[in-house]
Amino acid sequence: EDKVVQSPLSLVVHEGDTVTLNCSYEVTNFRSLLWYKQEKKAPTFLFMLTSSGIEKKSGRLSSILDKKELFSILNITATQTGDSAIYLCAVIKAAGNKLTFGGGTRVLVKP
Amino acid sequence: NAGVTQTPKFRILKIGQSMTLQCTQDMNHNYMYWYRQDPGMGLKLIYYSVGAGITDKGEVPNGYNVSRSTTEDFPLRLELAAPSQTSVYFCASILTDRATEAFFGQGTRLTVV
Repeated sequence: EDKVVQSPLSLVVHEGDTVTLNCSYEVTNFRSLLWYKQEKKAPTFLFMLTSSGIEKKSGRLSSILDKKELFSILNITATQTGDSAIYLCAVIKAAGNKLTFGGGTRVLVKP
Repeated sequence: NAGVTQTPKFRILKIGQSMTLQCTQDMNHNYMYWYRQDPGMGLKLIYYSVGAGITDKGEVPNGYNVSRSTTEDFPLRLELAAPSQTSVYFCASILTDRATEAFFGQGTRLTVV
């Protein structure tokens, strides 16, 4: 059975802190790993990672994939209250494009 | 470009009633998915489809049915609604097996009372 596990479940930080979110997976025929941010409505796309060791960056957010150890991390530096959200990790399988999500990490950034 | 459109946005059902959640995409995407999201949780896959006429079960298919008669439409049917099906439902689509992100509809909030 495919598994995608995110940790921690939730965390509370103050503005300016750095946050590291973890996503581990057990999936056969792995193709890619996706990160999404979800505020009040539908998830919005952040990154897609396919190759190990190549960091993806977008502003204060960055992410990297380790295909040997089967995990990814999402970093948020200099956090702002607008970063408060649920962060979702998902894995796409090569066969059939099955898209499986983890349970999410809820991040609360306090002023 | 409408993207992925879900209807209705909100619905209240009584126990035992049936309904269909509609999902339509106008991007000619091959792959479509239905998820449910309970409060404070991640997305759980109900059913997915790799193309017209082909569907497969996800993690939590019990109590639901789907069909994919066209590329554009992927309706989710609830038969005999139960309180455990109270959730937010999201439909998503991906173009091909080499595509990047999944595109999401805005969700349907369903309450079963």
